[in-house]
Amino acid sequence: GENVEQHPSTLSVQEGDSAVIKCTYSDSASNYFPWYKQELGKRPQLIIDIRSNVGEKKDQRIAVTLNKTAKHFSLHITETQPEDSAVYFCAASLRGTSYGKLTFGQGTILTVHP
Amino acid sequence: DAGVIQSPRHEVTEMGQEVTLRCKPISGHNSLFWYRQTMMRGLELLIYFNNNVPIDDSGMPEDRFSAKMPNASFSTLKIQPSEPRDSAVYFCASRGPKQFFGPGTRLTVL
Repeated sequence: GENVEQHPSTLSVQEGDSAVIKCTYSDSASNYFPWYKQELGKRPQLIIDIRSNVGEKKDQRIAVTLNKTAKHFSLHITETQPEDSAVYFCAASLRGTSYGKLTFGQGTILTVHP
Repeated sequence: DAGVIQSPRHEVTEMGQEVTLRCKPISGHNSLFWYRQTMMRGLELLIYFNNNVPIDDSGMPEDRFSAKMPNASFSTLKIQPSEPRDSAVYFCASRGPKQFFGPGTRLTVL
């Protein structure tokens, strides 16, 4: 089955700096890669996703890049703010007519210091 | 759209009691997932359904856990009998094609 590795497990940055979280996946058939943000005591929330026919996607201060050849994808957060502090999860799955399970990474605890 | 709905939001029970968690997926989503989250074990997939049919229950920890999806708008996760080690936050999620989580049920077994 699919295996997703996520690094780093913790990341500490100063407000205004950029943050990058990286994930690798094992199944070359995976073609859908979402990212979730989970604040303390809350549910995981979908913040951005990318399909395998796209190399990069941006939404304001966040972006995701995908390298299919190397089987890795990354989340980039620019101009970080204290409210970006949370646990971030990457995931991978097949995206088809029967929507299968997402395989999640272990999560990255991001702390943004004011 | 109300999103994924779960009930109860909090449940405190005593060891040995039966616990039933409920979930209403987003209308039109054809996949439903039950997860458990703890500090020690992170986010674990327990079981998922596609078009109301259980597809993969390999994450269900033991026979004390069971899940049903009698129709497209309702699912239950039952623990009988409950044990203190079952204490966790249980999330339901639905997908079609994007996956969204419910608010979770915080279960405490004393």
